[in-house]
Amino acid sequence: DAGITQSPRHKVTETGTPVTLRCHQTENHRYMYWYRQDPGHGLRLIHYSYGVKDTDKGEVSDGYSVSRSKTEDFLLTLESATSSQTSVYFCAISEGGVTDTQYFGPGTRLTVL
Amino acid sequence: GQQVMQIPQYQHVQEGEDFTTYCNSSTTLSNIQWYKQRPGGHPVFLIQLVKSGEVKKQKRLTFQFGEAKKNSSLHITATQTTDVGTYFCAGPPDTPLVFGKGTRLSVIA
Repeated sequence: DAGITQSPRHKVTETGTPVTLRCHQTENHRYMYWYRQDPGHGLRLIHYSYGVKDTDKGEVSDGYSVSRSKTEDFLLTLESATSSQTSVYFCAISEGGVTDTQYFGPGTRLTVL
Repeated sequence: GQQVMQIPQYQHVQEGEDFTTYCNSSTTLSNIQWYKQRPGGHPVFLIQLVKSGEVKKQKRLTFQFGEAKKNSSLHITATQTTDVGTYFCAGPPDTPLVFGKGTRLSVIA
């Protein structure tokens, strides 16, 4: 498996609280992605990054923000968590471009009560 | 936006039976990628097809890319319990990968 870690792996939080999920890679890949996975919806892209401080929105970006200050770290922030953001969140990386093969982290299960 | 559709959504087979999942795109794809996710796990890359009409095999798995580069299939011969999981296709026109919703395969021993 590619060197990708996600933290925390599990989190339970209350509606309205801010939440930050971290993705860390040791592969030095330029591209990083955040997905959410929900039953019946497959994998949906939230945001992605094509370099340090370079990010763009995905299909379901509302309510989420991201930051990438170092090549190895990509942070996903829910400014004010809602129950609809209960999901499993996956980070992924790719080397050669946004259409290149992606390698996924182990995921973070987030529950918003 | 660009969509990648997968059918069937679920498939239950007896161990030893064959299994096929299909992937269809509304637009021409530069390549098609297949991923497998075991229950409780994360998606893992299986293979990438690039050429029109391309066929690739990995042991009991056969992957095909359509002539028009708008569809693809994954066929598993003589399924085993280790094949259990969800199989996703993913295709890029010129944007980040768009994943299909996946086909969940259950294998009954």
